[in-house]
Amino acid sequence: AQSVTQLGSHVSVSEGALVLLRCNYSSSVPPYLFWYVQYPNQGLQLLLKYTSAATLVKGINGFEAEFKKSETSFHLTKPSAHMSDAAEYFCAVSSNTGNQFYFGTGTSLTVIP
Amino acid sequence: KAGVTQTPRYLIKTRGQQVTLSCSPISGHRSVSWYQQTPGQGLQFLFEYFSETQRNKGNFPGRFSGRQFSNSRSEMNVSTLELGDSALYLCASSSTTARAGELFFGEGSRLTVL
Repeated sequence: AQSVTQLGSHVSVSEGALVLLRCNYSSSVPPYLFWYVQYPNQGLQLLLKYTSAATLVKGINGFEAEFKKSETSFHLTKPSAHMSDAAEYFCAVSSNTGNQFYFGTGTSLTVIP
Repeated sequence: KAGVTQTPRYLIKTRGQQVTLSCSPISGHRSVSWYQQTPGQGLQFLFEYFSETQRNKGNFPGRFSGRQFSNSRSEMNVSTLELGDSALYLCASSSTTARAGELFFGEGSRLTVL
């Protein structure tokens, strides 16, 4: 069975500071992992995905995530936060058959000017 | 290319009523899935359709149902609405059934049950 856990339902950072959003996964098979972002009153947009190629994955808007098998983690980072990064972020893992995603409960990012 | 389109965007119903939500996937995408999003539970999987066949179903009561048409458009129906059904219902489409395939989400239909 697959699942993800996001540590910290709310994260606040100052503008220009490092963003670190945590995600740990559990999977009975090599995982495929995703980070999505949701802005208010919108659907989810893909930031990046890990599909067993490079362990450091670069996404849109300056975000990246590193897959660490030994730690079962897939944390999302951005070197310098921007006001426009304020949103809800979801980590997800796809099922064995690929037709279902398991999402974390989300982390709300606040950027303080 | 147009994105995933969901209608209606907002709706208000009363307990006991039923509701039908519609989703038009990205052109060429044959897989459509539905998720319920609530503040406390996050995103919960409802079901997934591929070529008009339901391939997977989440842990929801039988009041929640869906279908997919030959043009890949999908509808979901909730009968005998309860207050707890108030949520954002998200539809997502995918071009592939592979595990690495990403989901493309619509903006959702926000249902309020009074």
